[in-house]
Amino acid sequence: GIQVEQSPPDLILQEGANSTLRCNFSDSVNNLQWFHQNPWGQLINLFYIPSGTKQNGRLSATTVATERYSLLYISSSQTTDSGVYFCAVERTTGNQFYFGTGTSLTVIP
Amino acid sequence: NAGVMQNPRHLVRRRGQEARLRCSPMKGHSHVYWYRQLPEEGLKFMVYLQKENIIDESGMPKERFSAEFPKEGPSILRIQQVVRGDSAAYFCASSPGVTGGYGQYFGPGTRLTVT
Repeated sequence: GIQVEQSPPDLILQEGANSTLRCNFSDSVNNLQWFHQNPWGQLINLFYIPSGTKQNGRLSATTVATERYSLLYISSSQTTDSGVYFCAVERTTGNQFYFGTGTSLTVIP
Repeated sequence: NAGVMQNPRHLVRRRGQEARLRCSPMKGHSHVYWYRQLPEEGLKFMVYLQKENIIDESGMPKERFSAEFPKEGPSILRIQQVVRGDSAAYFCASSPGVTGGYGQYFGPGTRLTVT
């Protein structure tokens, strides 16, 4: 299967700070999504971004498919941003998502 | 437009019992996917179904696990004779078509605890 690596594995931020999360993948993909799993375990869609750049409020994401990586930017972080951020990809020929191991983010006041 | 619904949200079973997890996809979605998340891990694909068809079950354990998505009603993930190692969060996702253009939308998950 496809390998999905996320970095850093853990991140602690002061409220108001900015951060960049990275997702590397080992093969061509036709779909990439970023999710936030909140402390209650719910998975929230952040971005559907197989290529290009998207922004939604304080969050933005960029995927460079030819170089097999995606970045998630969080600006002016808030305590509610805490949780685990997952990147998931779908291979060109398959239907299942392959999830990375996540970045655990803690934002402290 | 209601999102993906899963029930129950929490399920406790004793070893050897059966667990039935239900998933109702978003309105208009005909593709359902099941994933399992073990503690402190990412999600792992289990099975992909369309109405009355299993499309890909490459992630399903060979024994005790089965899934269906009937013409009417929710998708069901069934685990027979549960063991402690089955304790996990089980997520269902749905999409309106092959995910090349749509992405997958996830439900809140069912947390199974086997005692």
